Formats: sequence, C-alpha cells, structure tokens
Amino acid sequence: ETGVTQTPRHLVMGMTNKKSLKCEQHLGHNAMYWYKQSAKKPLELMFVYSLEERVENNSVPSRFSPECPNSSHLFLHLHTLQPEDSALYLCASSPRVSREKLFFGSGTQLSVL
Amino acid sequence: GESVGLHLPTLSVQEGDNSIINCAYSNSASDYFIWYKQESGKGPQFIIDIRSNMDKRQGQRVTVLLNKTVKHLSLQIAATQPGDSAVYFCAEGSGGGADGLTFGKGTHLIIQP
Repeated sequence: ETGVTQTPRHLVMGMTNKKSLKCEQHLGHNAMYWYKQSAKKPLELMFVYSLEERVENNSVPSRFSPECPNSSHLFLHLHTLQPEDSALYLCASSPRVSREKLFFGSGTQLSVL
Repeated sequence: GESVGLHLPTLSVQEGDNSIINCAYSNSASDYFIWYKQESGKGPQFIIDIRSNMDKRQGQRVTVLLNKTVKHLSLQIAATQPGDSAVYFCAEGSGGGADGLTFGKGTHLIIQP
C-alpha cells in the first residue's frame, strides 16, 4: 500500500466522452503530480500542484484539465481525447515539490476508442 | 531535457544470482539520480537515489554506482529473488524541481527459477 489511491483502475472511453480520473493521498503530502506513461516511452510529467496551486504545466493539451480541491485530492478531467492519449496515468505525491522520492499510485489504464 | 537511455530492454537472471541494470545519461549537468521499480499492475516504487557528489550508495540488497566520467549509472541487486521481477528505470535530475527529472524507458528484469 503506497498511500496513494487512484480510481478507476481501468477506463475505456470514446473520443466524445467526458470522464475524470481521481487521486487521493493519505500521506499528508503537500505536492501532487500527474504523469503519463505510454508503452515503451519514458514517464512524462504533466502537471504539478503545491498546496492546491498549480506550479507546473508541461505543455499539456487543453483536453486534459487538472483540479486540486485540497492537498489530499487531485483530479484529471478528460474530454474529447484522441486515441494517442491511451496510456497509464499515474498520480504521485511528495512532502513538497521535489524531484526526489515520489510516491506513486497504481495508475489508471486509459483506452480511448 | 536530455534523454536517459538503458543498455538492455530485458535482463534475465537466475534466482539467487546478482543482477546489474545499467543506465547511461548524457546531461553533464545532472546532479541527482534515482531508481524506481515498477511491478506489473502497480505504480513505480522508489528504490534508491544518489547525488553526484557520491560514487556509490548502498541500500537493502541494492547498490547504486555512479560513474560521472562516462556518465553511467548502475543498479546492483544482490541475491535476486522472484519478487524482484519488475521493470526498473532510472531518472536523472538537473535543477531542483520535478520538471528537472528525466526518466529512462526501463529495463524488464526477469527472474528464472
């Protein structure tokens, strides 16, 4: 148990659908992250939040919309996605925004049809 | 940022033997390195990290070696066990924030009985 929980574990959606990914951390951390993990590609940082404030947006298309209502919860709202957006979306947290030791959830495996 | 490469995509070792997973990096400004383990269906899990002012660091059954001259990083796992089967990937950091971390693609470690 890593202390970071992601739901759903699997998600299949059409290109016209709107869905949301949820992440919750029980570690008392102040920083939360969204990463994208595509097959045979390195992890890609998408967004970084520190104390509910977005501090990093790595040129992510606007069809991905993050939301951090409090330091324990992080959402990724999805709309009009493309098939190439199919990937494993990982949430992570850390005591503060850092490049060191991130605690990852198990991810949401997303398939866009 | 600069990419981090791995020498082998798959490494097969006998149970009980030592495993060595290699990682090459090209950014001479990188001053921090970290290894993660990702088991099937799970998110990455921190293993060990090392700063550029060190050449070696040991953890429980794992050792990370850093050769800055040839920009090479390795993870050694002693007495490999079935539970060590996973994808291992390294990341290099230049700059203090999460956006300064560049991940490699990963090496799949397979343990043979």
